[in-house]
Amino acid sequence: EPEVTQTPSHQVTQMGQEVILRCVPISNHLYFYWYRQILGQKVEFLVSFYNNEISEKSEIFDDQFSVERPDGSNFTLKIRSTKLEDSAMYFCASSRDSNGEQYFGPGTRLTVT
Amino acid sequence: GESVGLHLPTLSVQEGDNSIINCAYSNSASDYFIWYKQESGKGPQFIIDIRSNMDKRQGQRVTVLLNKTVKHLSLQIAATQPGDSAVYFCAENTRFRAGTALIFGKGTTLSVSS
Repeated sequence: EPEVTQTPSHQVTQMGQEVILRCVPISNHLYFYWYRQILGQKVEFLVSFYNNEISEKSEIFDDQFSVERPDGSNFTLKIRSTKLEDSAMYFCASSRDSNGEQYFGPGTRLTVT
Repeated sequence: GESVGLHLPTLSVQEGDNSIINCAYSNSASDYFIWYKQESGKGPQFIIDIRSNMDKRQGQRVTVLLNKTVKHLSLQIAATQPGDSAVYFCAENTRFRAGTALIFGKGTTLSVSS
């Protein structure tokens, strides 16, 4: 069964450093998403991406965040200058349709020290 | 305020019991709802979904009920098993120009004891 994959599983970085989180969505999916989950809290929407552009973003997704689909398979989330409060699980998701089931990856745990 | 939420943060049941997890939503324009299961250290896993033109949908051991009048969603798990222990989230879609975003509730932790 196809699945969304994410690397790394755990990333530790120092405050102010740049991080890139990587995702490989399901191959025939066209819509891509990033979500965040702070420990013990609910999953929060960050950004959606379609046709090589951002289609929607939340208030969390400020100028420190960016997304890219550098090739035909990868989908990345970059945080330019990490803050302590960026520590969270980051989940990538993809869907085939704009209003269809979203499949989530296993997540990357980001720890900012 | 929150768009989607759950009534109880925790639910403890005995193996074999039926479990009911509830969720209230506030956006009456929402037309697609999903229940996700999240096990420790893993991403949300799709369980079942329902569209607003339905009030009930059944899967394997799970049933989702939608009451649009009171904006209430519930997940029923029949014959709950220890493997059902996880955090359960309801989510509603928010439709944008070229995609949707899922708005999640806070989650209910289901604990199943043998």
